[in-house]
This record gives sequence, structure tokens and C-alpha cells, in this order.
Amino acid sequence: DTAVSQTPKYLVTQMGNDKSIKCEQNLGHDTMYWYKQDSKKFLKIMFSYNNKELIINETVPNRFSPKSPDKAHLNLHINSLELGDSAVYFCASSQAGGEGGDTQYFGPGTRLTVL
Amino acid sequence: AQKVTQAQTEISVVEKEDVTLDCVYETRDTTYYLFWYKQPPSGELVFLIRRNSFDEQNEISGRYSWNFQKSTSSFNFTITASQVVDSAVYFCALTEVNFNKFYFGSGTKLNVKP
Repeated sequence: DTAVSQTPKYLVTQMGNDKSIKCEQNLGHDTMYWYKQDSKKFLKIMFSYNNKELIINETVPNRFSPKSPDKAHLNLHINSLELGDSAVYFCASSQAGGEGGDTQYFGPGTRLTVL
Repeated sequence: AQKVTQAQTEISVVEKEDVTLDCVYETRDTTYYLFWYKQPPSGELVFLIRRNSFDEQNEISGRYSWNFQKSTSSFNFTITASQVVDSAVYFCALTEVNFNKFYFGSGTKLNVKP
């Protein structure tokens, strides 16, 4: 059974479109995250939710909007896609309440290509 | 300020060689946590180890070992008798007490040649 899953695995779309990436974890964790990995492999956190509440919101364009319908799901919606949004997006989860030190378990990633 | 530095961008070794991946971190907190993750060519991120700042004992897990030295703010990772399957990008990460926000290093790409 996959612990942290993301759909889709690949996403190719045109500039200006709106798209969503879904994430689900079956680990019973309380906290979920979105990371962006750029073409140079640099990983940077975007958002974090603890029990459906936003706790980390990095400097990310407001075209990116996370939504957590329940603590097992954290979706990422992106409006008006731009070329610079092309990257691999990783979802992750950790057990406790978002305090430092919890191991984060990552999904397989979604490779987004904006043409 | 960059919190985690992995100065080695890419390392190439021949199978069975030992290799050490360096990680230097920066933090003002007295309580913090360090991690290593592996990203093989297939792209997923695999957790390897977690260490808190109060535990300076070195750890060994099979061919993997980690050397944590607070005096030099380093948390280095050694692979003994490397294998082709060890080829991957390895990331070191730091998180501080208040939020579980990972600061990742830029990664070290390890190529193990047969």
C-alpha cells in the first residue's frame, strides 16, 4: 500500500491553464506539506497544513492555493500557469502537530511541464 | 542565509570504494534535527536517517554511517563499499523547533560506476 500518493504523476499543460495536483496519505499523519523541486534539484517548501489548518505559507505566488478537505488529503491548485511553474511537486506528511523534528515521508512527485 | 550546505555537487566513484558526502548546517537553535534523504533516478525521496541535536552518537546501518559533529556543524554521510544501486542524489536537511519546515541542502549527486 502506498503511504503518500499523488496524482497525476505527469502533467503537461499550456501556459495560462489552471490545474490541480492531488495528494493523499494513509499513514494517519496530522501534517501535510507541498514542496517544489526545480530543474537544479533544489527542494523548497511551499505550504504545510496541520489538521486542515495552514501553518506554513512560504513566499509563493497567490496563483498557488492549497486545499485540505481532511487531514489525509492536501491538494494543490495552480491558476494561470506560467513557464516558471514547470517543476516536480512533492507532497509529504509527518506524524505530529507540525513542530520541528518529525520525519517527513514523501510522495512520488508530480512532474509539471508548462508549454 | 543558507542553512544547509552540501558543497559537493557531484561525486563519481568506482564500485566498492568508500565515499563520504558532506553536510554543513547553520542554526541558532540549540534544539534542531538533521536528516538525510536519497533520491534515486526514479525520482522518489527516501528517508534515510533522523538525528536530533542532543544525540551526537555516530550511527551505522549496514553500509551506511553518519558522523554528527556539533563542533563543526557537520552531519556527514559515508557509504562503505559503494554499489551501483547507491547512485542517486542525496539530500541533507535541517529543521528547527518551532515548525517542521525542512531546509534542504542543494544535494550531492553520487555516481557509482561498475
